[in-house]
Amino acid sequence: DAGITQSPRHKVTETGTPVTLRCHQTENHRYMYWYRQDPGHGLRLIHYSYGVKDTDKGEVSDGYSVSRSKTEDFLLTLESATSSQTSVYFCAISASQSMNTGELFFGEGSRLTVL
Amino acid sequence: AQTVTQSQPEMSVQEAETVTLSCTYDTSESDYYLFWYKQPPSRQMILVIRQEAYKQQNATENRFSVNFQKAAKSFSLKISDSQLGDAAMYFCAYRRAQKLVFGQGTRLTINP
Repeated sequence: DAGITQSPRHKVTETGTPVTLRCHQTENHRYMYWYRQDPGHGLRLIHYSYGVKDTDKGEVSDGYSVSRSKTEDFLLTLESATSSQTSVYFCAISASQSMNTGELFFGEGSRLTVL
Repeated sequence: AQTVTQSQPEMSVQEAETVTLSCTYDTSESDYYLFWYKQPPSRQMILVIRQEAYKQQNATENRFSVNFQKAAKSFSLKISDSQLGDAAMYFCAYRRAQKLVFGQGTRLTINP
């Protein structure tokens, strides 16, 4: 199994509070991703990173920011959580160092509830 | 923008029978990858099978095989000899460059 650890695995918070989810990999892969999963929508890309300090937006990036100061860590931050951000969040890494090929390996997911 | 559509929100099959899950996608590219992922109740995303668009031969992995129709932009998954452990959400996904785009998912139920 790919070495991907997400923390926390479960979190309940209140509207307006900041939240940070952490993804840690031990595979030394260049590409890392944050997705959210909601019923009827599958998984949607929030942000991704193609190297240390190199990140880009996905299709649902509003309200989220990311940072990658080390190869192994990719942080997802909700500056001011809203109820619409209640979801399951998945981190993923690319199985290939090539930009164009390969499947993604996923972490176990983090369930976030915003009250 | 690339889109992936799974038109079957739910499917069911008798144990030991065969079931086919449908997936269509929209792209103007010629070089890309397609995947089927399985998500059991544990929530873990598990790769089932992959297909490179430049390969005409359909991919197979044991009881899992695909019917890849590039011109029709169709990528269906066939599960033979269905087992209780196959019960899960199945997601079709398309990859071009850095991004992986998912369909909405199909929930597969196996009836004993």
